[in-house]
Order: sequence, then C-alpha cells, then structure tokens
Amino acid sequence: QKEVEQDPGPLSVPEGAIVSLNCTYSNSAFQYFMWYRQYSRKGPELLMYTYSSGNKEDGRFTAQVDKSSKYISLFIRDSQPSDSATYLCAMIAGGYNKLIFGAGTRLAVHP
Amino acid sequence: KAGVTQTPRYLIKTRGQQVTLSCSPISGHRSVSWYQQTPGQGLQFLFEYFSETQRNKGNFPGRFSGRQFSNSRSEMNVSTLELGDSALYLCASSLDDLTGELFFGEGSRLTVL
Repeated sequence: QKEVEQDPGPLSVPEGAIVSLNCTYSNSAFQYFMWYRQYSRKGPELLMYTYSSGNKEDGRFTAQVDKSSKYISLFIRDSQPSDSATYLCAMIAGGYNKLIFGAGTRLAVHP
Repeated sequence: KAGVTQTPRYLIKTRGQQVTLSCSPISGHRSVSWYQQTPGQGLQFLFEYFSETQRNKGNFPGRFSGRQFSNSRSEMNVSTLELGDSALYLCASSLDDLTGELFFGEGSRLTVL
C-alpha cells in the first residue's frame, strides 16, 4: 500500500463546475500538506499549502485537511479551461524536503 | 525574480552512458532537491542538498549521485544508464528544509535508448 493514495482520474467537468480532488494517507507523522498543479511538459507549481487540520482559501481554491481521517481535499470553484492540468497532492513528515507525492489527478475542464 | 533553471531540457543517451544534469536555484534558496517523475512511479524523491551537504536520500541505487556547489547550484549524475532511467528529472529549490514549500524547475527529460 502506498503512503499517499490519489485517484489518477481523468476527471472531466464542464466550465463553471465545482471540482473536488482528494488524497488519503497512512502516515500519521505527516505534518505539512501541499497541492501542486502541473501543466503538460512543465514542472509542478505550488498551489496551496497547509499545516494543520482545517480549511485554507485562496481565491477559487480551498484546501481542507482532516488529520483524524488522514484525508485532504482541494476544491476548485467556478472551474475554468485554464485549470486543466494534473493536480498532485504532497505531504512531508520530517525535514529535508522529502515530499511524498500522490499519483496526481488529471483534470480537464471543457468549455 | 528568476525561477529554477534546469539544463539541458531534453537529452537522449544510450544504455551504459552517463549523464549530468544541472540546476540553478532561485536566488537566496539554499536547499535544492531532486525528484524523478515517471508515468509508472510518479514523483519520487532522489536527494536533497543544503549548503553543499547531502542531508537526505531516497531509495535509488548508487548510480544516482549529486552535489551542490558553494553558490547553491546543483548537479546530479546518473552513471551506467539503464532503459528504466528514462524520466523527467525535476529540481526544486526552497528557502528552508522543513515545510516542503518547493519551487520546481521545468525539468530535464532524459530518454535512454
């Protein structure tokens, strides 16, 4: 079993839809949780970053962390075609920037 | 502010050869990490350097090595290339080494024939 599980999709939604992306994890030592967005042939770009359980909002994006359930989510409101990308969850337990990534969910937002 | 720069962007090698990839971090960032991305295994941690010291290493064979210079620029080397080493190699830099706020370059895509 992988430390971080993420449904690879693909997920296809119409423009304007609310998108929900999720990851589960097994290591209770994970403390920091991130969402990265990766466009085709580009490097991952940090989208959201959270430390504790709860919600964090940034524009159309909301990240949720539920440590008791070992479950994190990313919500995208009013999705746009420009949101079409692969979304990777990542988490870290200790130091030295050793991130554990999910498999990534490929999202397509069609006009 | 310039981002993370990786060179070369694309390269083709044959089995048994070696390759060196270069990474220039964001100015002021002292931590440089390397990741391998493949369709089958996803993103996997290779190693991390801070102030010229390797502080953490992933589960990769000794053929994968790296180093960091005093100006924080980093290189990674893969010797005796195998077909399975074909991947996107990503470098990421960070201000600190605890929180995982990494800034990635666009990667070096290696194809081994």
